[in-house]
Amino acid sequence: DAKTTQPPSMDCAEGRAANLPCNHSTISGNEYVYWYRQIHSQGPQYIIHGLKNNETNEMASLIITEDRKSSTLILPHATLRDTAVYYCIVRLRGAGSGGYQKVTFGTGTKLQVIP
Amino acid sequence: ETGVTQTPRHLVMGMTNKKSLKCEQHLGHNAMYWYKQSAKKPLELMFVYNFKEQTENNSVPSRFSPECPNSSHLFLHLHTLQPEDSALYLCASNGQGRSNDNSPLHFGNGTRLTVT
Repeated sequence: DAKTTQPPSMDCAEGRAANLPCNHSTISGNEYVYWYRQIHSQGPQYIIHGLKNNETNEMASLIITEDRKSSTLILPHATLRDTAVYYCIVRLRGAGSGGYQKVTFGTGTKLQVIP
Repeated sequence: ETGVTQTPRHLVMGMTNKKSLKCEQHLGHNAMYWYKQSAKKPLELMFVYNFKEQTENNSVPSRFSPECPNSSHLFLHLHTLQPEDSALYLCASNGQGRSNDNSPLHFGNGTRLTVT
């Protein structure tokens, strides 16, 4: 899996958009970008994923650059409950293995939402 | 509620004890995973089971012994652990058997293990 680089920490004011960057300059054409977050003392929670098009769901938006070397996770109106560590991961598309993947997590970005 | 349930939530054990961690999912997933998260370190993949067969053992010491009796249940048997094994142990699952499956991992909330 391609390596990702994220800033170790970020602050965001409550109610403002939180924009979390991720660099994945060695990503290959058949690798997806996934985002998870981990709130203190809980397991990681899936947020969103994409291949090359921008994606949006009820939690966040994912913007992937045209060259796919970087992406940004956007939380449109951050709340205090969004304080967490956010992980950006790239992984191969399903390869006939039924969904099993050896997924490696980095150190992520610790987002602190400030009142 | 993530659909992945881990028990117990907290466990304290001595170095000579034997204990087991349990993970259960009823999401219809075929792959199940054990991860270890030590303080201030990234998640470390320990074991992977796919369709009940172990497909990954990430150089984990033999004092950790996984068991997957069916695709809904995963155990981690612990014996003669060391204090440095104290960590949050997380279970995850994914996969619905399709060749193009890109389903994300669903994690439980973990077992906080303290070895004294």
